[in-house]
Amino acid sequence: GEDVEQSLFLSVREGDSSVINCTYTDSSSTYLYWYKQEPGAGLQLLTYIFSNMDMKQDQRLTVLLNKKDKHLSLRIADTQTGDSAIYFCAEGYSSASKIIFGSGTRLSIRP
Amino acid sequence: DTGVSQDPRHKITKRGQNVTFRCDPISEHNRLYWYRQTLGQGPEFLTYFQNEAQLEKSRLLSDRFSAERPKGSFSTLEIQRTEQGDSAMYLCASSPPQGNYEQYFGPGTRLTVT
Repeated sequence: GEDVEQSLFLSVREGDSSVINCTYTDSSSTYLYWYKQEPGAGLQLLTYIFSNMDMKQDQRLTVLLNKKDKHLSLRIADTQTGDSAIYFCAEGYSSASKIIFGSGTRLSIRP
Repeated sequence: DTGVSQDPRHKITKRGQNVTFRCDPISEHNRLYWYRQTLGQGPEFLTYFQNEAQLEKSRLLSDRFSAERPKGSFSTLEIQRTEQGDSAMYLCASSPPQGNYEQYFGPGTRLTVT
């Protein structure tokens, strides 16, 4: 079946690294995504990784994929106040149809 | 590139009324998606189009919901006989023909049914 799970909240100190975790159940998913949603704003595609990759790095963002455990993580280095948002993990398929989203992790930054 | 646009941004309606939302995708994006997002949840897939063809519909899309994309450009989502449970944010996304795994979202239409 299709299910994506995330923890609801994460609080980190400004300047530290944030690690947001996600698990998914459908091994046939082809793409794994991270989206960011700020209050009152739409969803912003942050990054994605193909299911045949282990890692992808993009500036302050590092995505790690453990396909065996169906575990995906997003690491944000040097977390800033502007990173405060809800982060959604999602899985997609080669048919390019629907994306299945998790419930989101709310990241808050402490001074 | 102006991004995905949606209209209206907010809609308040009384139960039983019909509402229609519009989505304009990014220029030359041939795939268009509708999702619904309720408070505290991630977006849930409703339906998607490739050009003018509606290729998949979710079980969430009851008979009161209909979506069209008549010329393969903009799309409309209509909800007939609205119910309070229809209150949600309705999101539209589009993706290009080549990078079809990237979906770009619009700002959404927030529907409140009183």
